Amino acid sequence: QQPVQSPQAVILREGEDAVINCSSSKALYSVHWYRQKHGEAPVFLMILLKGGEQKGHDKISASFNEKKQQSSLYLTASQLSYSGTYFCGMRDNAGGTSYGKLTFGQGTILTVHP
Amino acid sequence: KAGVTQTPRYLIKTRGQQVTLSCSPISGHRSVSWYQQTPGQGLQFLFEYFSETQRNKGNFPGRFSGRQFSNSRSEMNVSTLELGDSALYLCATREDPNYGYTFGSGTRLTVV
Repeated sequence: QQPVQSPQAVILREGEDAVINCSSSKALYSVHWYRQKHGEAPVFLMILLKGGEQKGHDKISASFNEKKQQSSLYLTASQLSYSGTYFCGMRDNAGGTSYGKLTFGQGTILTVHP
Repeated sequence: KAGVTQTPRYLIKTRGQQVTLSCSPISGHRSVSWYQQTPGQGLQFLFEYFSETQRNKGNFPGRFSGRQFSNSRSEMNVSTLELGDSALYLCATREDPNYGYTFGSGTRLTVV
């Protein structure tokens, strides 16, 4: 089953913040976040392993609530370069290994205007 | 480091034909996954290979198959092509289970 992402689309002005949420009905081993610009391949942003850690670099960070099977991506002080489609990928906990399927949400289109 | 290489970049095929797509991972990346991307369905998981073994398979018909070679290069094959198979096929590779994926630029398949 595909993870559910919300919102489907976000429009921001430069400098504004945004949060993208992702949830799954399955027990998770890890959560991935990727950004895809039009006509390009998805680019890896970060991975969060089970344990409830929060990661981030620069003005993009993410959290992972293992018990609720949810993750959120936080974009602060958005820049024009943040525009694109954001995908969460959730790897289920098949057999307690790291080789469960990585299934992607349907994507969130983020548009940042000057 | 060279990136993930997918060939060919574009393909036009006729219904009923078959097609083979290739993916060469980054050196040291032994895990290769394949995804189908369409505007309506997003990124759909096809299969994942590690050390020449299929680890996982998505919910696609048996017309979709893949394999991985000893040098980690992977191929996927689609037989008896249908119009609905038109999509961008992305290969994604990773070095370690706890690392993220590096995606190739994809193969754009059009079935007419």
